[in-house]
Amino acid sequence: SQKIEQNSEALNIQEGKTATLTCNYTNYSPAYLQWYRQDPGRGPVFLLLIRENEKEKRKERLKVTFDTTLKQSLFHITASQPADSATYLCALTGGGNKLTFGTGTQLKVEL
Amino acid sequence: KAGVTQTPRYLIKTRGQQVTLSCSPISGHRSVSWYQQTPGQGLQFLFEYFSETQRNKGNFPGRFSGRQFSNSRSEMNVSTLELGDSALYLCASSQNPGQVQYGYTFGSGTRLTVV
Repeated sequence: SQKIEQNSEALNIQEGKTATLTCNYTNYSPAYLQWYRQDPGRGPVFLLLIRENEKEKRKERLKVTFDTTLKQSLFHITASQPADSATYLCALTGGGNKLTFGTGTQLKVEL
Repeated sequence: KAGVTQTPRYLIKTRGQQVTLSCSPISGHRSVSWYQQTPGQGLQFLFEYFSETQRNKGNFPGRFSGRQFSNSRSEMNVSTLELGDSALYLCASSQNPGQVQYGYTFGSGTRLTVV
């Protein structure tokens, strides 16, 4: 069955460091992979999308890589700030509009 | 422009009752999807509507239904509520089904508690 796994543990890092979050998937051939941020009690907020034929995408302090051979995406936040503390979700799209989400990684950036 | 609006924000219902949740997408967005979020299962796809037609359906029982109106507003209905239906129900909108490259805009959700 299709499975999407993200860092199961919460990730605590110091302000200014680079946070790296992992998204691994099995039994899936996604056309797109998306990353969202979710704060408590709120809906997810779209951050970045990367296509299956792209290796890397950047947006300001964010960088996403996509390796379809390893079936893995890495999400990096450089120069992290306490305001970056949130849960980060990866989501895959195979066909159509349906998003299949990972379980999320809770990131905490400490001063 | 206004974001995705979901009403109500919070709802408490009793087992066996039914509930209707509402979602108004971003102006100009014609595709609306619904998701259920629980601590155990995470975010799970319920269904997607475009031009008043259901295009895609997730793996949920028939107690879960939805519809979309000509102004793109959508409602979802859950009948014969069970305790396990307690969740955050999220609505997401996009311009058209083929424009997934812009991502989805989610509402803040409706927190449903079944007692």
